[in-house]
Amino acid sequence: QVQLVQSGAAVKKPGASVRVSCMTSGYTFSGYYLHWVRQAPGQRLEWMGWFHPNNGATKTAQRFQGRLTMTGDTSVATVYMELTGLRFDDTAVYYCARDPHSALALGLLDYWGHGTLITVSS
Amino acid sequence: EIVLTQSPGTLSLSPGERATLSCRASQSVNGRYLAWYQHKPGQAPRLLIYGVSSRATGIPDRFSGSGSGTDFTLTISSLEPEDFAVYYCQQYGSSLFTFGPGTKVDIK
Repeated sequence: QVQLVQSGAAVKKPGASVRVSCMTSGYTFSGYYLHWVRQAPGQRLEWMGWFHPNNGATKTAQRFQGRLTMTGDTSVATVYMELTGLRFDDTAVYYCARDPHSALALGLLDYWGHGTLITVSS
Repeated sequence: EIVLTQSPGTLSLSPGERATLSCRASQSVNGRYLAWYQHKPGQAPRLLIYGVSSRATGIPDRFSGSGSGTDFTLTISSLEPEDFAVYYCQQYGSSLFTFGPGTKVDIK
């Protein structure tokens, strides 16, 4: 079965960077887009960007441009999200999620990781 | 950016009752690209409905979606104990995918 297993929670200081991993299994890793979505406390889910493992293509939501980098390692079927210049309002649960459409990033999310809590605190 | 609003914020119902959740978009959702997700604390969100009314794999038929344009509805025909959760709508018809704020369905 499809599984997305994310790295554990982390506490970071303002200005630091964080990298979250998302290890996938149960399907052809290179065939599907992976999205990153976050949810800050009391806020709605917010789409951050997508990554395609086959060619490394990415698309980033405008508000994260310049701070968000998404990469992948096909040898371990894992995608990574790195967010730099952390601010207090980056405190959130970060999710990876698979797009079921292999030909384009439709934005539908059929399988999700359990989430990684990133706390930005001084 | 398409802004989604959901109502009510909280719905208090008993098992066996019918739940009707609303999602309204600030502009027409392109191509029926409207989905619903269920989210329980500490768990991964779960896709319920896509394309306004198509159930995802393994979703029981007590869940149904309807609507068009800017107004959409998720209906749970008869609540089971495991259905008490937060439900989010999402539009994926524009390049910036957006979510609603969620409706919490809790036990009355």
